[in-house]
Amino acid sequence: GAVVSQHPSWVICKSGTSVKIECRSLDFQATTMFWYRQFPKQSLMLMATSNEGSKATYEQGVEKDKFLINHASLTLSTLTVTSAHPEDSSFYICSASMGEKQFFGPGTRLTVL
Amino acid sequence: DAKTTQPPSMDCAEGRAANLPCNHSTISGNEYVYWYRQIHSQGPQYIIHGLKNNETNEMASLIITEDRKSSTLILPHATLRDTAVYYCIVRVVGANSKLTFGKGITLSVRP
Repeated sequence: GAVVSQHPSWVICKSGTSVKIECRSLDFQATTMFWYRQFPKQSLMLMATSNEGSKATYEQGVEKDKFLINHASLTLSTLTVTSAHPEDSSFYICSASMGEKQFFGPGTRLTVL
Repeated sequence: DAKTTQPPSMDCAEGRAANLPCNHSTISGNEYVYWYRQIHSQGPQYIIHGLKNNETNEMASLIITEDRKSSTLILPHATLRDTAVYYCIVRVVGANSKLTFGKGITLSVRP
């Protein structure tokens, strides 16, 4: 149990386009999901906390208008990178809370040309 | 969240026990110790967590000192597939509670 999926696993896009990443909890309901970003050879950095049915809470320095988060159901949260630029190229990872634990998705590799 | 400190790297021989240390001297009474690992280009994987008692599951054992200022993750029989970055994190329990990742310790298991 406790499987979290992400789609797509990787995406390449042109600068200026928007990209949507989905995060799903497959076998449990998650009222809270988290979005992280990881640059090469660095640790995971929390971007935002997403609660079902309410606005996301963004970490300091993360632009909420650029990284749109929607948590419309107890099993799905989406992250949209709007007007992506090469500096947004990164590994985006979501996690979902279940009880005392958080379970992570496999990550989405975004490359912006 | 309280900070943790881990050595940057260590290695061990395949089949031997890997003992990964973590210091969390400023841990609060309501904070748990969590361990996750991340294999290259994958999402982190939950390993184990505990409050003050030692814990064991199918993956590892967690030994927490009596004063809770440090802990050790033990992989009893390391395999090559255990090569990863291991993160020790302290966190209060709660659905909205964040996991704050440090640099972790890179474990290399050698044949």
